[in-house]
Amino acid sequence: QKEVEQDPGPLSVPEGAIVSLNCTYSNSAFQYFMWYRQYSRKGPELLMYTYSSGNKEDGRFTAQVDKSSKYISLFIRDSQPSDSATYLCALWNTGNQFYFGTGTSLTVIP
Amino acid sequence: GAGVSQSPRYKVTKRGQDVTLRCDPISSHATLYWYQQALGQGPEFLTYFNYEAQPDKSGLPSDRFSAERPEGSISTLTIQRTEQRDSAMYRCASSRDLTGELFFGEGSRLTVL
Repeated sequence: QKEVEQDPGPLSVPEGAIVSLNCTYSNSAFQYFMWYRQYSRKGPELLMYTYSSGNKEDGRFTAQVDKSSKYISLFIRDSQPSDSATYLCALWNTGNQFYFGTGTSLTVIP
Repeated sequence: GAGVSQSPRYKVTKRGQDVTLRCDPISSHATLYWYQQALGQGPEFLTYFNYEAQPDKSGLPSDRFSAERPEGSISTLTIQRTEQRDSAMYRCASSRDLTGELFFGEGSRLTVL
């Protein structure tokens, strides 16, 4: 079993839609939860960073962590064509390696 | 440097040859990671360094893979006796101390014929 499981998609939505991306994980020791965005032919870039359970909002993006269910989500409101990319969830426990999900490919259609 | 630099960007080699990939991290970053990323997949952890120490190399798939960071800055990943299954994008990332933000390089795409 992988440390983190992510819905592979691909997702295709119309411009302006709300997008929900999700991951589950198995090890309750993880405390840091991140979402990275990867454009085609580029390296991943950090999008959102949360610590422990709760919500964190940044503009059109909201990251949600539910540690009791070992479930993390990223919501994108008013999606734009420029949001088209692969979104990777990532988990980290201090002093250890990062675990990445397999990524969800998102296409926002104008 | 301003960003993480990897070389070569593309490498084509014949099965059985050795290859060495290079990563030059952001100069102030103590921690350096190596990942393998197959097409359509997320990065898979290989190993990481904290300065020159290599606390975890559990992700290296076989003893044909090795990594070094002798002076705590530039790192190399060497694959000996390459096999076709080694074909992938190899990504290096660096981080300031042990934080949640990794800065990735453009990657080195390895093709083993």
